[in-house]
Amino acid sequence: GAVVSQHPSWVICKSGTSVKIECRSLDFQATTMFWYRQFPKQSLMLMATSNEGSKATYEQGVEKDKFLINHASLTLSTLTVTSAHPEDSSFYICSARTDVSSYNEQFFGPGTRLTVL
Amino acid sequence: KNQVEQSPQSLIILEGKNCTLQCNYTVSPFSNLRWYKQDTGRGPVSLTIMTFSENTKSNGRYTATLDADTKQSSLHITASQLSDSASYICVVSAAGANNLFFGTGTRLTVIP
Repeated sequence: GAVVSQHPSWVICKSGTSVKIECRSLDFQATTMFWYRQFPKQSLMLMATSNEGSKATYEQGVEKDKFLINHASLTLSTLTVTSAHPEDSSFYICSARTDVSSYNEQFFGPGTRLTVL
Repeated sequence: KNQVEQSPQSLIILEGKNCTLQCNYTVSPFSNLRWYKQDTGRGPVSLTIMTFSENTKSNGRYTATLDADTKQSSLHITASQLSDSASYICVVSAAGANNLFFGTGTRLTVIP
């Protein structure tokens, strides 16, 4: 149980295009989803927290207009990187949590590697 | 300031040997501490989770310890295998908070 998937697993795009990444909780309802970014040899950095049906809360320094987050259902959240640039190239990881998660546990997806040329 | 520090930054060991990874934290109020294994290009996978009252937890060849007084944790890997090569991340959760506090990880390489 507690499986989180992401799609796509990797994507290469041209500078200036927009990229959408999906995060799904496969066998549970995720009331809260989190989006992280990880640069090489660094730890995960929280970008934003989203609750189903409401606007996402972004961490300081993360541009909400650049990283659009939609958590339209209890099993799906999407992150859209708008007008992507090479500096947005990174490993994006989502996680999901339910209201009844023990220990405030988050279940992580496998990540999406974004490369912007 | 809530921080999680891990050591060593990287470690190379021979297959079959044991090793111990360290984690020190200043997160308060403390809720729980978890160790994750992250393979290259993959998301983190939970190994163990411990609350304030637990001082040891095992998961196969992985054994985590927690000293809530000194705010230290360790992850001991026994009889290492090549597949143990990965980053090991210590993550601390603060009570009443949404966020998790991540250590920078220890990169373990097991060589034959």
